[in-house]
Amino acid sequence: GDSVTQMEGPVTLSEEAFLTINCTYTATGYPSLFWYVQYPGEGLQLLLKATKADDKGSNKGFEATYRKETTSFHLEKGSVQVSDSAVYFCALSGSSASKIIFGSGTRLSIRP
Amino acid sequence: GAVVSQHPSRVICKSGTSVKIECRSLDFQATTMFWYRQFPKQSLMLMATSNEGSKATYEQGVEKDKFLINHASLTLSTLTVTSAHPEDSSFYICSAVSGTGHEAFFGQGTRLTVV
Repeated sequence: GDSVTQMEGPVTLSEEAFLTINCTYTATGYPSLFWYVQYPGEGLQLLLKATKADDKGSNKGFEATYRKETTSFHLEKGSVQVSDSAVYFCALSGSSASKIIFGSGTRLSIRP
Repeated sequence: GAVVSQHPSRVICKSGTSVKIECRSLDFQATTMFWYRQFPKQSLMLMATSNEGSKATYEQGVEKDKFLINHASLTLSTLTVTSAHPEDSSFYICSAVSGTGHEAFFGQGTRLTVV
């Protein structure tokens, strides 16, 4: 079945460092890919998405490119801030109105 | 973007009682809603898929008699945890799929503590 594998955390970086969180997927067909962020004590917020190969999703300085050839959707940010500390989930959605499959989540902590 | 409201955000109940959690899509109609459970420091595990006007589809290992799901309208789905036990304590999150079906919007989550 469909699955998402993402980099295990926790990841601790200094402010202004470069961030990469790896995510790869297994799916039949052409899924949509997402990154969700969960701040402490809150629900999930959609961070960015891409619906077809070579699409780049971007938001709040974060980017991820849908790479069909490597079945990857790695999350990157050039300069992280303390406020980026959260748990990040990579996810995929298959056909219309299908369920979302989540990766295990990566906890990110940014030191001032 | 679309808004999904989940209520209550926190609830504490006694062992053996039942708790109802509501999930509402505020500005769109959602024919499908999903219920997830999240244990501390773990990912979200899908519990069931809720379709308006029909019975919910439960994931393997989820007790349908314990976690009652009702999706009576296009904007409301409810999850009732019956005869709750301390091991049911968790963070429950709902999501609703928009008309295009490719993006899900999440509620704020409900932290259930059974004492």
